[in-house]
Amino acid sequence: DAKTTQPPSMDCAEGRAANLPCNHSTISGNEYVYWYRQIHSQGPQYIIHGLKNNETNEMASLIITEDRKSSTLILPHATLRDTAVYYCIVRGGSQGNLIFGKGTKLSVKP
Amino acid sequence: NAGVTQTPKFRVLKTGQSMTLLCAQDMNHEYMYWYRQDPGMGLRLIHYSVGEGTTAKGEVPDGYNVSRLKKQNFLLGLESAAPSQTSVYFCASKGQVSSTEAFFGQGTRLTVV
Repeated sequence: DAKTTQPPSMDCAEGRAANLPCNHSTISGNEYVYWYRQIHSQGPQYIIHGLKNNETNEMASLIITEDRKSSTLILPHATLRDTAVYYCIVRGGSQGNLIFGKGTKLSVKP
Repeated sequence: NAGVTQTPKFRVLKTGQSMTLLCAQDMNHEYMYWYRQDPGMGLRLIHYSVGEGTTAKGEVPDGYNVSRLKKQNFLLGLESAAPSQTSVYFCASKGQVSSTEAFFGQGTRLTVV
């Protein structure tokens, strides 16, 4: 099981912030939340990860609720090139493999 | 730095034919993975390797074999291709099991007719 729930699709206007939600109510205390994205059937690309605290890097910000049951990926100024499928992943494989769900298809529109 | 390279990028096979997909990484990573992705689906793990000379089954291993004779290469074989194996195949690697980032290749689009 993917262990996460995401909306199947979202739209965002170019230049606006894109907020992608993810529910992971069964997450355990030592499991990280990872976000990857896949642009037009290319290989998935790492975006960001976090455990408890909010995280920010050059690509995005990750907000994790205090109870860790949900998180939000924020793209602060979405561009057309951010159109992709975004996967929220709680690492489940004992050998470090990523367990993918169906993700959220984000469409950034002019 | 090439990262993860998959060969070939596209291939059409007839039912019953065999082929090998090659994944090569130049990052000295221990862990390597083969996934398949079907339309509208996320990636599913086929086989993986935790180091040179080791392989293990993932979620959907039937019909596939793998080998990791060299640390930098992870081969995925189809002995007798079936239409159900039509898919896009992705290879990934990471340095350690606890590494924060996995690196993916650009995929191999395989069609079995």
